[in-house]
Amino acid sequence: DAGVIQSPRHEVTEMGQEVTLRCKLISGHNSLFWYRQTMMRGLELLIYFNNNVPIDDSGMPEDRFSAKMPNASFSTLKIQPSEPRDSAVYFCASSLQGAYTEAFFGQGTRLTVV
Amino acid sequence: SQQGEEDPQALSIQEGENATMNCSYKTSINNLQWYRQNSGRGLVHLILIRSNEREKHSGRLRVTLDTSKKSSSLLITASRAADTASYFCATGPLETSGSRLTFGEGTQLTVNP
Repeated sequence: DAGVIQSPRHEVTEMGQEVTLRCKLISGHNSLFWYRQTMMRGLELLIYFNNNVPIDDSGMPEDRFSAKMPNASFSTLKIQPSEPRDSAVYFCASSLQGAYTEAFFGQGTRLTVV
Repeated sequence: SQQGEEDPQALSIQEGENATMNCSYKTSINNLQWYRQNSGRGLVHLILIRSNEREKHSGRLRVTLDTSKKSSSLLITASRAADTASYFCATGPLETSGSRLTFGEGTQLTVNP
């Protein structure tokens, strides 16, 4: 298995534009985490899915952020409209059983909103 | 909010020395995990220790867990320059309804050749 795959690796966009980040889980994993990493706030959990269902989205900053899992192996994180303060590295991670087993991280998407 | 807090924030040692990092957390846990992050890369899982375990080893890594003090430590023995990275602890919750894996702020380890 190639591991968790995120795309794009880098994204530069103008304020107000829609941004879509993509994540492919490891085959057989049923849990997905989206994190955001900044120098100021560290690693923040945005949302957690289990079996394609959002279980905990309390970390999603505001309505501009939305996440979906259209199938068991793929997820998207959308920001619309984007703002400069959304600039960060966004990671997705998958695991066999939520936080009870090890999580495998993708390489991240570095988002810059200008 | 962050569940775990690592200590120290930064650690600089010479190659061959041992490195010890600590993690404290606030609520009851199912497990505690340690991860490494090299600059510009994703996090890599190092070791998972369950709440009923007190010590675990993996190669040059040794992790201890003290649930009474709500703390854990990661020891890297005979450090190498390649161990230079940020190290994070993460906690898995005790309750089964949710499954937030929350991370601390991390310890930046620098191993000088």
